[in-house]
Amino acid sequence: DAGVTQSPTHLIKTRGQQVTLRCSPKSGHDTVSWYQQALGQGPQFIFQYYEEEERQRGNFPDRFSGHQFPNYSSELNVNALLLGDSALYLCASSLTGVYGYTFGSGTRLTVV
Amino acid sequence: AQKVTQAQTEISVVEKEDVTLDCVYETRDTTYYLFWYKQPPSGELVFLIRRNSFDEQNEISGRYSWNFQKSTSSFNFTITASQVVDSAVYFCALSVFSGSARQLTFGSGTQLTVLP
Repeated sequence: DAGVTQSPTHLIKTRGQQVTLRCSPKSGHDTVSWYQQALGQGPQFIFQYYEEEERQRGNFPDRFSGHQFPNYSSELNVNALLLGDSALYLCASSLTGVYGYTFGSGTRLTVV
Repeated sequence: AQKVTQAQTEISVVEKEDVTLDCVYETRDTTYYLFWYKQPPSGELVFLIRRNSFDEQNEISGRYSWNFQKSTSSFNFTITASQVVDSAVYFCALSVFSGSARQLTFGSGTQLTVLP
């Protein structure tokens, strides 16, 4: 049973560019959450998608946007990249109504 | 708003020693879950334990045990007879029932190094 799959694993972008990160949830899960983890810090909640809609959002600017597809997979888009966006981006999937999160290995984004 | 504090930034122990990781949380919600996750260098967050706010009974699961005390808002985690493979960053996290997303609020983590 595959867990959460994220792609790509590593990415280098230039300041001002746009980036798209992808996440396939664990089989049977219908909810996807995204977290940003800066170096040496704990993950911070960006937003959560359920039924193809953003259900809740953390304290992140509108440059961060997302999408969920009918197959429950999700994308995280970041526009106008800043150096401070360099971080590990983690995707977590869950099943609505059930308390349990499965995390992927993350995408390491470096903005230069 | 929720807050999780892990005051220990780094801990180093020798193999077979017991080690306790401290966690203090803040929330006004009366219903919540507390978690411990392990993050090896690969980056994936690995679920270790979960406890809900209604159950203060402390348990042992293999080499892991935890001490949940609502009176002091603490949720400490102990590894007994530590092993080199336990070396990782450990995160304490809080999730409240209010709000639709029930997202996790993480502490800043404790880097545990177990020396052979």
